Amino acid sequence: LAKTTQPISMDSYEGQEVNITCSHNNIATNDYITWYQQFPSQGPRFIIQGYKTKVTNEVASLFIPADRKSSTLSLPRVSLSDTAVYYCLVGTSAYSGAGSYQLTFGKGTKLSVIP
Amino acid sequence: NAGVMQNPRHLVRRRGQEARLRCSPMKGHSHVYWYRQLPEEGLKFMVYLQKENIIDESGMPKERFSAEFPKEGPSILRIQQVVRGDSAAYFCASSPPLGTGGVDTQYFGPGTRLTVL
Repeated sequence: LAKTTQPISMDSYEGQEVNITCSHNNIATNDYITWYQQFPSQGPRFIIQGYKTKVTNEVASLFIPADRKSSTLSLPRVSLSDTAVYYCLVGTSAYSGAGSYQLTFGKGTKLSVIP
Repeated sequence: NAGVMQNPRHLVRRRGQEARLRCSPMKGHSHVYWYRQLPEEGLKFMVYLQKENIIDESGMPKERFSAEFPKEGPSILRIQQVVRGDSAAYFCASSPPLGTGGVDTQYFGPGTRLTVL
């Protein structure tokens, strides 16, 4: 499983755009990049997943450069309710037959949104 | 469509007692996963089950821990003779049958916080 590195914590003011970068130098060809969000006392929640270039949904955008050795989660105009821990995960889909069912979580990035 | 349900949300046990944690997956989901989270840490995989089958228990401690997902009813994570080190948040996740489309998104429940006195 590819190891990921992300900042331990980040602070942001309300209304700002927040970019959290994750490094995954050993990402494999079949690996996807997935981000989860976890609020205190809750289970993680899927935010976004991508393989290359850019993916956008109603919650966030995910930017993946051509070499795929890093990825950036972008949260537009954060609010206080976006205060949470954000996890970057890298792994192969189990659908491929070669992947793992296990999700491997690091310590994540603790985002604090300040009024 | 109700999400993943876990109960109890909080469980207090004394050393040596048994803890039973329950998980009802989302409707239509046949795959259940259990994870453990210590304070300030990420989640650690424990076990992956399908109905009546344990598929991968590589993350389960060899002793005192067991899991099941019967044909009827919720999945159960059972911890016998609990010790203080078992105090943690235990999360259950579920996913739809493989090959039904989409990627391997797991949907997590709210967790059970176990405190061993």
